[in-house]
Amino acid sequence: ETGVTQSPTHLIKTRGQQVTLRCSSQSGHNTVSWYQQALGQGPQFIFQYYREEENGRGNFPPRFSGLQFPNYSSELNVNALELDDSALYLCASTFLSGSVNEQFFGPGTRLTVL
Amino acid sequence: GQQLNQSPQSMFIQEGEDVSMNCTSSSIFNTWLWYKQDPGEGPVLLIALYKAGELTSNGRLTAQFGITRKDSFLNISASIPSDVGIYFCAGQLVGSGNTGKLIFGQGTTLQVKP
Repeated sequence: ETGVTQSPTHLIKTRGQQVTLRCSSQSGHNTVSWYQQALGQGPQFIFQYYREEENGRGNFPPRFSGLQFPNYSSELNVNALELDDSALYLCASTFLSGSVNEQFFGPGTRLTVL
Repeated sequence: GQQLNQSPQSMFIQEGEDVSMNCTSSSIFNTWLWYKQDPGEGPVLLIALYKAGELTSNGRLTAQFGITRKDSFLNISASIPSDVGIYFCAGQLVGSGNTGKLIFGQGTTLQVKP
């Protein structure tokens, strides 16, 4: 148990719709990162939030956006869904410090876009 | 997106055998991590390595941070059926303005025959 939870577990949407995925970080962790994991691949970094501000973004378009709240929860929003957005979405929380940044993952949300 | 080169892609071994997998990168990292992912779950941290040349053990698992800082390996000794899963390496840059985002390998799928 990592203490990181995600909801929902599974979600089915159609192309063009919008989706919001939620994550609850470990208590005390000031940083949350979101990753997209396509079938048979390693996770790919989407973006990171530190103290409620975006702190870095991977190679994902602006229709992927996020929010982080003071109560250790966060959201990933995806607009104008495309078929290729079908994947497992993982959040990972950590306490960002100078030298150690061990990230603890939630169980993920499986998104299917039809 | 950027990924590390992880090999082998899959392994099918007999219970009791030792297992070795490795990861290489064209980029330098200052942290290497090894994760295990079971079906329907998020990755779980197994071992974290923070210094070039470091050799660290966690039970039957041993991992090393390569001297060049561009590679790492993971060994599992005396494999058991519950070792089944997908193993991921991840490189990370921490400190000095880095986000600490994880760059993952493609994964090694391990199957253990009782």
